[in-house]
Amino acid sequence: ETGVTQSPTHLIKTRGQQVTLRCSSQSGHNTVSWYQQALGQGPQFIFQYYREEENGRGNFPPRFSGLQFPNYSSELNVNALELDDSALYLCASSLEQGRGGYGYTFGSGTRLTVV
Amino acid sequence: GQQLNQSPQSMFIQEGEDVSMNCTSSSIFNTWLWYKQDPGEGPVLLIALYKAGELTSNGRLTAQFGITRKDSFLNISASIPSDVGIYFCAGHSGGSNYKLTFGKGTLLTVNP
Repeated sequence: ETGVTQSPTHLIKTRGQQVTLRCSSQSGHNTVSWYQQALGQGPQFIFQYYREEENGRGNFPPRFSGLQFPNYSSELNVNALELDDSALYLCASSLEQGRGGYGYTFGSGTRLTVV
Repeated sequence: GQQLNQSPQSMFIQEGEDVSMNCTSSSIFNTWLWYKQDPGEGPVLLIALYKAGELTSNGRLTAQFGITRKDSFLNISASIPSDVGIYFCAGHSGGSNYKLTFGKGTLLTVNP
C-alpha cells in the first residue's frame, strides 16, 4: 500500500503571496489532517477534512483554508503569507477521523520558507 | 496553540545506556502516543496507549499511560545509534475533531 505523499517537498514564497500544498492520503484512508511544525517545535493542528468537509480546526486564522477531493486527497491553501508561516507542513491521513489517535500516517511534509 | 510539557529537551547518551523521557499535560487525554521523527521525515508512531495505568512495550521501547491521564513516559533500553532522532509525545482527547496535541520533542543523540 502507498503511504502519504506530499508535494512539493520544498518551496520559497514571498511575503503576501499565496501558496497551495498538496497531499495524497494513504490507500484506504478517508480523512486528512494538516499540521504546522515550526523549527524546534512539535506539530500544531491546523484542521481536519472528512467527507470533503472541514471537521475541526485549530487556532489558525481564516487565511489558512483547505479542500478535500472525492479521492480523499487534500490541499492546504495559505493566503497573504507572513514570515511566521515559514514551517514544515505535515499531512496525516487516517480512517474514519482517526478515532483513538493511533491510526494517523504522516507524510514527509512540505518545507515552506517565506521571505 | 497548546503544547504538552515534554522533558528533557535533549539528551546525549552513550550507546548501550537506557533513556527515559516524559510528558505532562494540564488536560486529560484518552490516548497517549509516542512518535519518532527523523530529519526530513514526518513523525512515525512508536507506541499507542489507551487506558490509564497501561504499560506497553515495543521491542526496546516501553511506555506508560499515567494514572491521572495527564502524563506519560517513554523508556528506551540499551540504546543504539539508530535511536538518534526527535521523540514526540502526543495526546488525543477524542471529541468531535480528533486532533493530536504534541509536545515540543526530545532530541536524542547516541554516541557510539
